[in-house]
Amino acid sequence: DAGVIQSPRHEVTEMGQEVTLRCKPISGHNSLFWYRQTMMRGLELLIYFNNNVPIDDSGMPEDRFSAKMPNASFSTLKIQPSEPRDSAVYFCASRTSGTGAYEQYFGPGTRLTVT
Amino acid sequence: AQSVTQLGSHVSVSEGALVLLRCNYSSSVPPYLFWYVQYPNQGLQLLLKYTSAATLVKGINGFEAEFKKSETSFHLTKPSAHMSDAAEYFCAVSKGGGADGLTFGKGTHLIIQP
Repeated sequence: DAGVIQSPRHEVTEMGQEVTLRCKPISGHNSLFWYRQTMMRGLELLIYFNNNVPIDDSGMPEDRFSAKMPNASFSTLKIQPSEPRDSAVYFCASRTSGTGAYEQYFGPGTRLTVT
Repeated sequence: AQSVTQLGSHVSVSEGALVLLRCNYSSSVPPYLFWYVQYPNQGLQLLLKYTSAATLVKGINGFEAEFKKSETSFHLTKPSAHMSDAAEYFCAVSKGGGADGLTFGKGTHLIIQP
């Protein structure tokens, strides 16, 4: 299996621009999670989906952030407009909900720099 | 609400010495606990998990952790450190009993001295 795939791996953009991060979960996994990692705040859960439906978006910092999962094999995290404080590494993770199978598998992350 | 506290943002041990990384949790429900490792510029990899089946959990790369309910702890240990163990280690607890997102500790940077 290819694992969780994220694109792009690096993104540099100017303040005010729209940024779209992409994630392809492991085939067969029906839960998908978006996390953000910064030096100041560590790893934070932003939002997660079960069977393509958003379940908990309480971690989404502002209305500038939005996430979608149009099908079981694709999700996007969009920031519009972007700000320098959005600079972070964004991770996508997926999981199957089978018995005992609670571990999340993480992608390599997208390093976002907003100047 | 769940929370995790990792004591020591940096831990330094000599190669061959015991590794002990501390994690204490707070949870209003029986917790599911995890240890993840992150190597530079990579994603997180699961080391081991506690899901109530056994209090002593063995993971990959010779690591193990013991769940102690009375101490609300889930410390990570390895008998003999190897240079390749140098990385960032994260303790995490699941929010909803295993089916939801993870709440992570701040992480512990493990340094291995030759």
